[in-house]
Amino acid sequence: DGGITQSPKYLFRKEGQNVTLSCEQNLNHDAMYWYRQDPGQGLRLIYYSQIVNDFQKGDIAEGYSVSREKKESFPLTVTSAQKNPTAFYLCASSQGNLETQYFGPGTRLLVL
Amino acid sequence: KQEVTQIPAALSVPEGENLVLNCSFTDSAIYNLQWFRQDPGKGLTSLLLIQSSQREQTSGRLNASLDKSSGRSTLYIAASQPGDSATYLCAVRLDFNKFYFGSGTKLNVKP
Repeated sequence: DGGITQSPKYLFRKEGQNVTLSCEQNLNHDAMYWYRQDPGQGLRLIYYSQIVNDFQKGDIAEGYSVSREKKESFPLTVTSAQKNPTAFYLCASSQGNLETQYFGPGTRLLVL
Repeated sequence: KQEVTQIPAALSVPEGENLVLNCSFTDSAIYNLQWFRQDPGKGLTSLLLIQSSQREQTSGRLNASLDKSSGRSTLYIAASQPGDSATYLCAVRLDFNKFYFGSGTKLNVKP
């Protein structure tokens, strides 16, 4: 089955700790995205990547980092610099610049 | 800055009713508009994508329209079913890295 997988489903972060969220797609899509969703709010773009080894900041990139070493993988690291990391994180991909986005099931990050 | 508004924030209807969800946006220079469905604690499922040159798209019981000049889109759901209960989100795209999502309409279809 083609699709996007995210792991883990739930992630707990301690103070001062960096954590990494996994996103993998087997749709052969060039573009991948990371969004953050807070209760009662729309999604906000954190980072996006159009091709391997290239990525750009979105609207709320501070405190986050990404890599794109393989076409199918786009991991997101939430660093200790992100002071309010509790949120639902969604990964998405699309074939072209203006095509339909397909979303993964999400990772919920909580702070201990 | 683009603002995307969805009204109402919540809607409860009896099964079988036809209904309309609204999405408005402030900047009409969009590439496309997409409607999504989100179930509690889940990711987004794409329902319909309307390019800026199109006026509407249809899929099954769903019909989405786009009026760029007035900054509005509607999602029409025919003969609603309890399985349609979810949050419906619209998103406009201004550029490759410029997405703006509404906060959604939470729909409850009562049996």
